[in-house]
Amino acid sequence: KNEVEQSPQNLTAQEGEFITINCSYSVGISALHWLQQHPGGGIVSLFMLSSGKKKHGRLIATINIQEKHSSLHITASHPRDSAVYICAVKGSQGNLIFGKGTKLSVKP
Amino acid sequence: DTGVSQDPRHKITKRGQNVTFRCDPISEHNRLYWYRQTLGQGPEFLTYFQNEAQLEKSRLLSDRFSAERPKGSFSTLEIQRTEQGDSAMYLCASSFALENIQYFGAGTRLSVL
Repeated sequence: KNEVEQSPQNLTAQEGEFITINCSYSVGISALHWLQQHPGGGIVSLFMLSSGKKKHGRLIATINIQEKHSSLHITASHPRDSAVYICAVKGSQGNLIFGKGTKLSVKP
Repeated sequence: DTGVSQDPRHKITKRGQNVTFRCDPISEHNRLYWYRQTLGQGPEFLTYFQNEAQLEKSRLLSDRFSAERPKGSFSTLEIQRTEQGDSAMYLCASSFALENIQYFGAGTRLSVL
């Protein structure tokens, strides 16, 4: 079993829909990251959080430390949100342990 | 552009050849990480440096792999006697301190024929 599990693996949505991507982890962590990866490889960090909730534009990330679960929400989704969204937790040495990613496709 | 640059962006090589990749982190960042990502998978940790010291190496980093960060600035990752299984995207990331966000380069895509 992977230390970081994401669901769903693939997600197709219509423009404007509310999207939720889930992440569960099995290790103790100091922080959890949500990252966005576009075709070609570039990875951009969206959020780093260790408790509660963070919001940036149409993106919201929440984490429940007791349940070892985090969610990434996208409101009013747009085709430009199409990307792979990756959840990662920070190991004891600072290295990130990644989930396999959720491939999101938003159709116009 | 995150400020982390990797070179080359793409590398095609024949099995058995040696390859070297370079990563230039954001200048004031003292931590530098190497990750590997195969198709359809999330990245996997390979190794990391704090300044010039290599502090951790993953089991994935076989003896054919070596990484250096000689002056605590840029880093190189060398793969000797490449194998087809080495084909992957090699990602570099840097951060200022343990708790800070890691900034990723665009990666070097290696294809071993």
